[in-house]
Amino acid sequence: RKEVEQDPGPFNVPEGATVAFNCTYSNSASQSFFWYRQDCRKEPKLLMSVYSSGNEDGRFTAQLNRASQYISLLIRDSKLSDSATYLCVVNPSNTGKLIFGQGTTLQVKP
Amino acid sequence: GAVVSQHPSRVICKSGTSVKIECRSLDFQATTMFWYRQFPKQSLMLMATSNEGSKATYEQGVEKDKFLINHASLTLSTLTVTSAHPEDSSFYICSARGAPGLAGIDEQFFGPGTRLTVL
Repeated sequence: RKEVEQDPGPFNVPEGATVAFNCTYSNSASQSFFWYRQDCRKEPKLLMSVYSSGNEDGRFTAQLNRASQYISLLIRDSKLSDSATYLCVVNPSNTGKLIFGQGTTLQVKP
Repeated sequence: GAVVSQHPSRVICKSGTSVKIECRSLDFQATTMFWYRQFPKQSLMLMATSNEGSKATYEQGVEKDKFLINHASLTLSTLTVTSAHPEDSSFYICSARGAPGLAGIDEQFFGPGTRLTVL
């Protein structure tokens, strides 16, 4: 079993749609969680950290369920510029080593 | 956020040559740097963790004699791919983590990546 699993997609949605991505992780002792965005042939960029209480940043909402070892990202009112690959990332310890999921590809169409 | 640079951004070389990639933290001191590799349509895979002034820690399956890492200063880490072969062609990305309190103990800043093509 992979340490971090995501549905690779692709998710093809129209502009304005709401889309949700899910991610599961295997190490129950994992310390912190993130969503990164990666554009084609570019480095990943931090989108948001994920907290147990859930957190929101504009159109983006992240949720963490430690009991189920499950992380989600919700994007509302999708924009064309949201098209990218979204990486679920887990820090299993406090060493700074990050474990990346395979990524979920989102394509927002006009 | 903090800035990390990589050089070169792209390199094409012949099989058997060695290639050095530099990773620099431009506006902060990076106590730890990480090297990742990403093959097409796959996610980033951590290759090694590099701490300034000490030997790098390699992930399982990564050959330390093939991928030489040097972290000689708090702002520079280098990855040398020795005797490169076509299967080493990949996107190599470094990240840097500063001291806690500067960027947060969890936050890493990624370089723009180096695309290596071995002919």
